[in-house]
Amino acid sequence: EPEVTQTPSHQVTQMGQEVILRCVPISNHLYFYWYRQILGQKVEFLVSFYNNEISEKSEIFDDQFSVERPDGSNFTLKIRSTKLEDSAMYFCASSEFRANTGELFFGEGSRLTVL
Amino acid sequence: AQKVTQAQTEISVVEKEDVTLDCVYETRDTTYYLFWYKQPPSGELVFLIRRNSFDEQNEISGRYSWNFQKSTSSFNFTITASQVVDSAVYFCALSGQNNDMRFGAGTRLTVKP
Repeated sequence: EPEVTQTPSHQVTQMGQEVILRCVPISNHLYFYWYRQILGQKVEFLVSFYNNEISEKSEIFDDQFSVERPDGSNFTLKIRSTKLEDSAMYFCASSEFRANTGELFFGEGSRLTVL
Repeated sequence: AQKVTQAQTEISVVEKEDVTLDCVYETRDTTYYLFWYKQPPSGELVFLIRRNSFDEQNEISGRYSWNFQKSTSSFNFTITASQVVDSAVYFCALSGQNNDMRFGAGTRLTVKP
């Protein structure tokens, strides 16, 4: 069964460093998303991406964050200068249709620890 | 603005008990989808169900059932004859006209043997 894959599964970084989290969505999917979950808390929407541009973003997704699809298969989330409060599990998701009409398939997450 | 409220932070039951997880939502959209996801201790998000705003028919899948009531803006989830393997955090989520799906805060279910 096709699945969304994320790398790395866990990354530890120093505050102020740049981090790139990578995702390979399901191949025929057109919509891509990043969510984050601070330990023990709710799953929060960050950004959705379609047709090589951001379609929606939340108030969390500030200038420190960026997304891109560099090569037609990977979908990356970059955090420019990490802060302690960026420590969280980051989930990538993809869907064949828009989120209000189709199921989102989630990856297993990338845990980011900022020291 | 869209909002999902799961008022039950934690529920603990004994195996074989039935348990209902509540979900109340707010949206101005006329077309929207509601979802339930399960997050077991291993951390992944497992899709359970999607229901669109025009389909108020209740659904049953094995021990799981869902009760969607537009009149009360609720989409409750019942597990019948709970099992230890049902222990997880359960998230209700809402997706409207915008291409973003918003989650509730989750309900941690513990099923004791």
